Amino acid sequence: NAGVTQTPKFQVLKTGQSMTLQCAQDMNHNSMYWYRQDPGMGLRLIYYSASEGTTDKGEVPNGYNVSRLNKREFSLRLESAAPSQTSVYFCASSDLEPYGYTFGSGTRLTVV
Amino acid sequence: AQSVAQPEDQVNVAEGNPLTVKCTYSVSGNPYLFWYVQYPNRGLQFLLKYITGDNLVKGSYGFEAEFNKSQTSFHLKKPSALVSDSALYFCAVSPYYNQGGKLIFGQGTELSVKP
Repeated sequence: NAGVTQTPKFQVLKTGQSMTLQCAQDMNHNSMYWYRQDPGMGLRLIYYSASEGTTDKGEVPNGYNVSRLNKREFSLRLESAAPSQTSVYFCASSDLEPYGYTFGSGTRLTVV
Repeated sequence: AQSVAQPEDQVNVAEGNPLTVKCTYSVSGNPYLFWYVQYPNRGLQFLLKYITGDNLVKGSYGFEAEFNKSQTSFHLKKPSALVSDSALYFCAVSPYYNQGGKLIFGQGTELSVKP
């Protein structure tokens, strides 16, 4: 089915470990986004990519890096995980027109 | 600063009664407005959007939303609630149409519909 695929769905890390969250979309969308969801805080934008080859910081970029590998794929990397990065991470994509986002099913990350 | 507010953390409604989930925004210009729904352990799903035109927008699952420019509000409504409507609802605004279409989300409202 067409949509946004995120891997992994669950992950437990120890403080200081690194990992990469993967995201791929098959809708030929130009823009891709990484959000984190924390209770009572809604979704906060970490990084986004308006088009292939470009990335920009969002509201909460510290501790994260991203790569827009090609038009389909947008990965999020935690270089040295901290307990404050325990969250649910969502990838989304959209076209340039304001048709809204298509979200992936999320990655639940726990840092101990 | 650009922001979206959902003043109620939780809304409780009896099945069959009308429901309203409130949203107000603070952005410059003419924003694009959205509602999303999130079921447990799932990603967000698009419900409806307001871009321009008629202030009453109809969306999925019988939901509708009313845009009020003077009150800067975009409340989500449904005439008759179902137990299956119980979920987390997010209002979002896009003031950045020319900058990648970034959305700003409210903090979410938990809707609970009891039989």
